[in-house]
Amino acid sequence: NAGVMQNPRHLVRRRGQEARLRCSPMKGHSHVYWYRQLPEEGLKFMVYLQKENIIDESGMPKERFSAEFPKEGPSILRIQQVVRGDSAAYFCASSPYITDTQYFGPGTRLTVL
Amino acid sequence: DAKTTQPNSMESNEEEPVHLPCNHSTISGTDYIHWYRQLPSQGPEYVIHGLTSNVNNRMASLAIAEDRKSSTLILHRATLRDAAVYYCIRRKETSGSRLTFGEGTQLTVNP
Repeated sequence: NAGVMQNPRHLVRRRGQEARLRCSPMKGHSHVYWYRQLPEEGLKFMVYLQKENIIDESGMPKERFSAEFPKEGPSILRIQQVVRGDSAAYFCASSPYITDTQYFGPGTRLTVL
Repeated sequence: DAKTTQPNSMESNEEEPVHLPCNHSTISGTDYIHWYRQLPSQGPEYVIHGLTSNVNNRMASLAIAEDRKSSTLILHRATLRDAAVYYCIRRKETSGSRLTFGEGTQLTVNP
């Protein structure tokens, strides 16, 4: 059973461009979580999604950030008009049930020039 | 989710046991204690979790104090691959949508 997959692993964008981060959960997992880890800081929750629904986006910045988890395909974290402060590692996790263990992917490291 | 308190760093020697402490003095009755670890340049990895009783799995053991205000993660024989940041997390059973990571304990394993 393949683990959580994230791509790309590394992404470089210039200020003002858009960044799209993809997450394929483990097979059979319908709950997806996104976390961000800024340089020299801890992991912070961003958003929790279940198939086609955003359940909790309380950790998501109000502007420029959005997330989706369509019926078919991976979950997408989208950052519009990136700024240097968006440079971070973005981790996706999945679980089969809401209270179950979360399994993390290897992360996408975003660098904004 | 409320915070837990862990030492910033600890050191161990290879093949010796490691006891990583965690304080959660305001824990409520429905909070589970979860431990995750993060190896350099990798995503967090689940280690173990428990509610009241001590727990064992292939990776580690979790000893929970009788009053549940503290717990200890035990690695029975540390290896160099156990060098990581270890996070102790309180997580409510009924609303487990998020994990709240603190600063964790940076474990260094000496050869």
